Amino acid sequence: DVKVTQSSRYLVKRTGEKVFLECVQDMDHENMFWYRQDPGLGLRLIYFSYDVKMKEKGDIPEGYSVSREKKERFSLILESASTNQTSMYLCASSGGTGNGGYTFGSGTRLTVV
Amino acid sequence: GQNIDQPTEMTATEGAIVQINCTYQTSGFNGLFWYQQHAGEAPTFLSYNVLDGLEEKGRFSSFLSRSKGYSYLLLKELQMKDSASYLCAVIPGGYQKVTFGTGTKLQVIP
Repeated sequence: DVKVTQSSRYLVKRTGEKVFLECVQDMDHENMFWYRQDPGLGLRLIYFSYDVKMKEKGDIPEGYSVSREKKERFSLILESASTNQTSMYLCASSGGTGNGGYTFGSGTRLTVV
Repeated sequence: GQNIDQPTEMTATEGAIVQINCTYQTSGFNGLFWYQQHAGEAPTFLSYNVLDGLEEKGRFSSFLSRSKGYSYLLLKELQMKDSASYLCAVIPGGYQKVTFGTGTKLQVIP
């Protein structure tokens, strides 16, 4: 019954590595989002996409990029991981506000050492 | 910019009623969500308000006043499992882009 799947629950990477976080949804939603969540700062939007091959910067896009080649898949890329990117990353999808808002994945806790 | 304020922490007793407030100042308004998030888990949808008034759903109710930039989540007959963070989130503009508050951590005590 899982609807938004994130590829990894926990991830440890070294500084400077290229990191891929994958997200897949099976609800045929147009909109997909990547957030990071940090204590005291809440959920902050990194990037979002409202259609295949379309992407928009959120509030904190620096150091990140995204890819959406297929409707169901939205990937977050850390080009060169840094310790300040250690965080919980949450993917979400949405078919519209009347459909219950966002459905979140279970999250990926990334640690950069 | 967008600004959403909610209390950081609250404590309430099992069986009681608790009200979690949220005030917002955003460049536009297309709706307000409440989400519940248990520790270490993803947020789950609780309610959506786009018109003024009270929306009731079982033990949970959500209220919105657009003119005041104010919402609250009301939890009745509190249970221990209601211990969680409650996130207020606003859609200020298009593309379903949502801005979240930092959340209110609710602790329910016996």
